[in-house]
Amino acid sequence: DAGVIQSPRHEVTEMGQEVTLRCKPISGHDYLFWYRQTMMRGLELLIYFNNNVPIDDSGMPEDRFSAKMPNASFSTLKIQPSEPRDSAVYFCASSFLRGGYGYTFGSGTRLTVV
Amino acid sequence: DAKTTQPNSMESNEEEPVHLPCNHSTISGTDYIHWYRQLPSQGPEYVIHGLTSNVNNRMASLAIAEDRKSSTLILHRATLRDAAVYYCIPGQGGKLIFGQGTELSVKP
Repeated sequence: DAGVIQSPRHEVTEMGQEVTLRCKPISGHDYLFWYRQTMMRGLELLIYFNNNVPIDDSGMPEDRFSAKMPNASFSTLKIQPSEPRDSAVYFCASSFLRGGYGYTFGSGTRLTVV
Repeated sequence: DAKTTQPNSMESNEEEPVHLPCNHSTISGTDYIHWYRQLPSQGPEYVIHGLTSNVNNRMASLAIAEDRKSSTLILHRATLRDAAVYYCIPGQGGKLIFGQGTELSVKP
């Protein structure tokens, strides 16, 4: 298996633009998580899905952030409009059986909003 | 969510054992203790997890106190590749909340 695949690896965008981050989880995994990492705040859980259904989105910072999982093999995290304070590394992770076999993280998307 | 306390940083020499402590005194009875690590410029990776008994795998050992209020991750022979931030996370797997972790540096 290729692991959790995130795209793009790097994204630079201007303030006010829409940004879409993509994630392909490991086949057969039933949980998908989106995290954000900054030096100031560390790793923050934004939202997670179970069987494509959002379970907890209490970590989503504002209405500018939205996440979808239209099927078991694809998820998106969208920021509209983007702001400089959204600059961070965004990680997607997937797991099977409530993490009983561990989460597998993707390589992350480094987002820079200028 | 259970609160955890880990040292901010630790140092080790290559080829020596490393014991990384974690206090989680508010852990619930059904929470597992998970350990992840994050190598520089990479996403976190799973290391090990356990509930009550000590656990071993190819990467590390996990020693859990009898009262479950603390645990220790043991790297039996540290290598340069083990330099990373190590996170101790009590939880049930459906929602893992990362703290600040311990930054481990390994000296040759």
